[in-house]
Amino acid sequence: GAGVSQSPSNKVTEKGKDVELRCDPISGHTALYWYRQSLGQGLEFLIYFQGNSAPDKSGLPSDRFSAERTGGSVSTLTIQRTQQEDSAVYLCASSPATTPGGYTFGSGTRLTVV
Amino acid sequence: DQQVKQNSPSLSVQEGRISILNCDYTNSMFDYFLWYKKYPAEGPTFLISISSIKDKNEDGRFTVFLNKSAKHLSLHIVPSQPGDSAVYFCAASAKKGTDKLIFGTGTRLQVFP
Repeated sequence: GAGVSQSPSNKVTEKGKDVELRCDPISGHTALYWYRQSLGQGLEFLIYFQGNSAPDKSGLPSDRFSAERTGGSVSTLTIQRTQQEDSAVYLCASSPATTPGGYTFGSGTRLTVV
Repeated sequence: DQQVKQNSPSLSVQEGRISILNCDYTNSMFDYFLWYKKYPAEGPTFLISISSIKDKNEDGRFTVFLNKSAKHLSLHIVPSQPGDSAVYFCAASAKKGTDKLIFGTGTRLQVFP
């Protein structure tokens, strides 16, 4: 596609429910990243996929968070048993492997846990 | 531990004047630095970058300065325009820029007429 596509754009969920956020990266981009931005905060790194390498999960805040990337393309970020502190904008980005820092971000999914 | 810091949460500048946004980092392994701009309800967009082998990079109205000894970089916008009003994020990366980006907390710039 022309850009990074994220769905849904907005999600309201009840505390304790599971949610899945989807990211469709730019075709051919081998690197995919998930970040989140909580209210008044910067972009917090969550997880990074690079080709067939094992993902860098060092930013995931708890074991309720997981992500997968199927076929080297679409990625799904899953949050189990959501808590109110999970409320944030979840941003996905992709980049060609050889470009230093050349991320293209999607518009994000705004998650609200009530 | 905040490895990339933007100590000014907001900045207000008159149209036509210079805007200077500052960023400090702590990790000496960082070797590539970027600035991103973010409008509300949109994802961040890349603005300008600099490698650690340089101390200045210029692109039109935007110039980034890097002071490695002070672990400090700044973004200069001149002349500032109302359309520049946005949140600006500083970011840093290691491994010649191929590692994940670590972002600062952002500075909200408002350019008024």
